[in-house]
Amino acid sequence: QSVLTQPPSVSGAPGQRVTLSCTGTSSNIGADFDVHWYQQLPGTAPKLLIYGNNNRPSGVPDRFSGSKSGTSASLAINGLQAEDEADYYCQSYDTSLSGSVFGGGTKLTVL
Amino acid sequence: EVQLLESGGGLVHPGGSLRLSCAASGFTFNNYAMDWVRQAPGKGLEWVSAISDSGYSTYFAGSVKGRFTISRDNSKNTLYLHMNRLRAEDTALYYCAKEGGTGSTDLDSWGQGTLVTVSS
Repeated sequence: QSVLTQPPSVSGAPGQRVTLSCTGTSSNIGADFDVHWYQQLPGTAPKLLIYGNNNRPSGVPDRFSGSKSGTSASLAINGLQAEDEADYYCQSYDTSLSGSVFGGGTKLTVL
Repeated sequence: EVQLLESGGGLVHPGGSLRLSCAASGFTFNNYAMDWVRQAPGKGLEWVSAISDSGYSTYFAGSVKGRFTISRDNSKNTLYLHMNRLRAEDTALYYCAKEGGTGSTDLDSWGQGTLVTVSS
């Protein structure tokens, strides 16, 4: 059971917009700790996609955006492409656990 | 270019020990906190441990506290994870990752991982 809750799977057609959710509690996201998002392509290491809730590292397309409100965060992907098919993880800090926590991950399928 | 190269994984019996290493290059190692994150086969990411840039402060997930220790040698640009009393549930791909700096907990660079298998 992950501390941050993500839907196991999401799907969308090419060109569509999809939104991936990440739900936490008052000891992590709700305590105003930043949320970060990672993309993990099959057989590869995770890659930082969004940091500090809504910032993109250089090289990440602006089709990817993040937001946070209350105890939840979201990752939106506009103009879905086949290459976006991957697992996506959210991460934050948990004050009661005194460490980082990850969501269980969402598998994105491009139809 | 940041490079992180893990090593030291392998097959170990339950109750055994192992030391993982992560050789870092391409950045000023002693300016950044570092983390270990693991991924069991077919499962999601699990944060394991972190160490401050100086090595003075260390942090652990509850699942490994008291069994794992983390350390770093800033003169060798190397991060370590010392794993004791290993259990079957510690079987995973262990990633070394660099924190983004300035107090942020994001992990902006990752190695390719080293596989640890705990089995009799």
